[in-house]
Amino acid sequence: DIQMTQSPSSLSASVGDRVTITCQASQDIGKSLNWYQQKPGKAPKLLIYDASNLRSGVPSRFSGSGSGTHFTLTITSLEREDIATYHCQQYAILPLMCTFGQGTKLEI
Amino acid sequence: QLQLQESGPGLVRPSETLSLTCSVSGGSIVTSDYYWGWIRQSPGKALEWIGSSYYTGSSYYNPSLRSRVTLSVDTSKSQFSLKVTSVTAADTAIYFCARETYSGSHFDYWGQGALVTVSS
Repeated sequence: DIQMTQSPSSLSASVGDRVTITCQASQDIGKSLNWYQQKPGKAPKLLIYDASNLRSGVPSRFSGSGSGTHFTLTITSLEREDIATYHCQQYAILPLMCTFGQGTKLEI
Repeated sequence: QLQLQESGPGLVRPSETLSLTCSVSGGSIVTSDYYWGWIRQSPGKALEWIGSSYYTGSSYYNPSLRSRVTLSVDTSKSQFSLKVTSVTAADTAIYFCARETYSGSHFDYWGQGALVTVSS
């Protein structure tokens, strides 16, 4: 099974800061990595798919990069509304299988 | 705008079967471009993929839950369903249904989530 390790598990930053969250896969997954934002009491929302593709409607301050085993989610200038928990998710197509990281709780 | 809504009992007794249904509106469940998936989130734990179904009924399951989970799709009602047998307290979680892209397996639309508590 592929394991996903997110770091840090929690993070405190200030408005305007550049924030980076990392997700490490236990084996090469190519670019099969998605990022989600989850606010308290809400369902996760897709931000980035296939490692670096920004979902339509998501602010451009969010970006994703990486391939293989190391991936990053970057928020270039943190805004107060970005307070949330961020999750990475890897996938395999055949057979279909998905694994989420442990999540990173971002506080202002 | 596509909408998904989970429904089902919020309390299930240990050893019994958990059953949830997800109703899809604002779009067709009969599409070759998407799976229909279930994800759960136990208190303080990571999101866990349970499984996903194609509109034809073919399904993929998380191996860790495979022996207790059954997924199904009812295209006439635009619904898909989850059953988990022999539940324990460890199955207490918020259960989300979501639409999952067929080609890249990202979950782009989610239901609001349904809290299911396993307790006697």
